[in-house]
Amino acid sequence: AQSVTQLDSQVPVFEEAPVELRCNYSSSVSVYLFWYVQYPNQGLQLLLKYLSGSTLVKGINGFEAEFNKSQTSFHLRKPSVHISDTAEYFCAVSVGTGGGNKLTFGTGTQLKVEL
Amino acid sequence: GAGVSQSPRYKVTKRGQDVALRCDPISGHVSLYWYRQALGQGPEFLTYFNYEAQQDKSGLPNDRFSAERPEGSISTLTIQRTEQRDSAMYRCASSLGGSMGYTFGSGTRLTVV
Repeated sequence: AQSVTQLDSQVPVFEEAPVELRCNYSSSVSVYLFWYVQYPNQGLQLLLKYLSGSTLVKGINGFEAEFNKSQTSFHLRKPSVHISDTAEYFCAVSVGTGGGNKLTFGTGTQLKVEL
Repeated sequence: GAGVSQSPRYKVTKRGQDVALRCDPISGHVSLYWYRQALGQGPEFLTYFNYEAQQDKSGLPNDRFSAERPEGSISTLTIQRTEQRDSAMYRCASSLGGSMGYTFGSGTRLTVV
């Protein structure tokens, strides 16, 4: 079975500073990887996904993530954050069509952007 | 519709009552998923459908929980004899299938008192 670890439950950062939210996964088979964002009182929104190909994936709102198979990581980065990026971020893994695209989520990282 | 619609948005029920949560997926989306999210946690898989067929219900916690999607569109998640531990945000998502990622609804916040 696959699992996802988000070691940082909260990440405070000043506006315009860079940020990295860490995600590690475990799986014995090939995976698909996702980052979702949850703004207060809203549903989960897909930020970006890695299915295959280039290991650097660009998403919405200036976010990007890099798939590192040897380190089983999929860290999310943004070079300069904005106040509006304050939200909870979830990393998720799927083990492909055989698993019905069932997602296993991490526990989330609360990003708090301060002035 | 334009997005995944869930109703009701909030539901408060007394322990022992049955509740039905509704999900209206994006038109044309083949797959529909139900997740449960406790406070401070990530969503946890409950069950999913391709069209009207329930493909996997391994995440349903016990036999008080059931789901259906009789015409391959709207789905209902039913919890019988609710207990306080059932209190959570219940999220529905739909997708075209494959590995494209989901579109989530805003969820139903269930509180059992």
